[in-house]
Amino acid sequence: NAGVTQTPKFQVLKTGQSMTLQCAQDMNHNSMYWYRQDPGMGLRLIYYSASEGTTDKGEVPNGYNVSRLNKREFSLRLESAAPSQTSVYFCASSEALSTQGRTEAFFGQGTRLTVV
Amino acid sequence: RKEVEQDPGPFNVPEGATVAFNCTYSNSASQSFFWYRQDCRKEPKLLMSVYSSGNEDGRFTAQLNRASQYISLLIRDSKLSDSATYLCVVGFSGGYNKLIFGAGTRLAVHP
Repeated sequence: NAGVTQTPKFQVLKTGQSMTLQCAQDMNHNSMYWYRQDPGMGLRLIYYSASEGTTDKGEVPNGYNVSRLNKREFSLRLESAAPSQTSVYFCASSEALSTQGRTEAFFGQGTRLTVV
Repeated sequence: RKEVEQDPGPFNVPEGATVAFNCTYSNSASQSFFWYRQDCRKEPKLLMSVYSSGNEDGRFTAQLNRASQYISLLIRDSKLSDSATYLCVVGFSGGYNKLIFGAGTRLAVHP
């Protein structure tokens, strides 16, 4: 059971270049997320997809776009990379919040992105 | 004010010590509460959910105080392998499973 798979694991971009981070989950989850993690900041939500066919902005969406390609896949695109986007990016998936109030989020291994 | 606040640490403790982490959250509509563990340069993983009545999993005990909007994690008999960053996470459903992460508390257990 692979869980959540992200690619690539590492990437160095020049300012202004574009790239797409790929994410796929095999747990049949409805909800998928993209977070970025910076030192001292915790994980901040960039975009989320509550279900196939829908996407919405999170806390820090500027400079990013997303595509929910199907139930399994949720990609994050940087159209014109900036040094401020240097970060560790995590994709995650979960079921909808249950009435019992317990829903675990499963994370991919992360992408370490450096923009120079 | 951050939605979820934690003491960043680091907490440096000897093996066998008991250590407690605290976390406060600002949104009274929060519905679910978790502690995640994150090892250096790895992804976060669920350590345990936190229930209103408090819950225990081996050496780990989690408590929730909804009135004070306060969550705690107690680790007894610390092991070297407990060294990690512990993330307090608060969730609520507003059309999607929204999870808000604290910045984490770093724990270093030494021999």
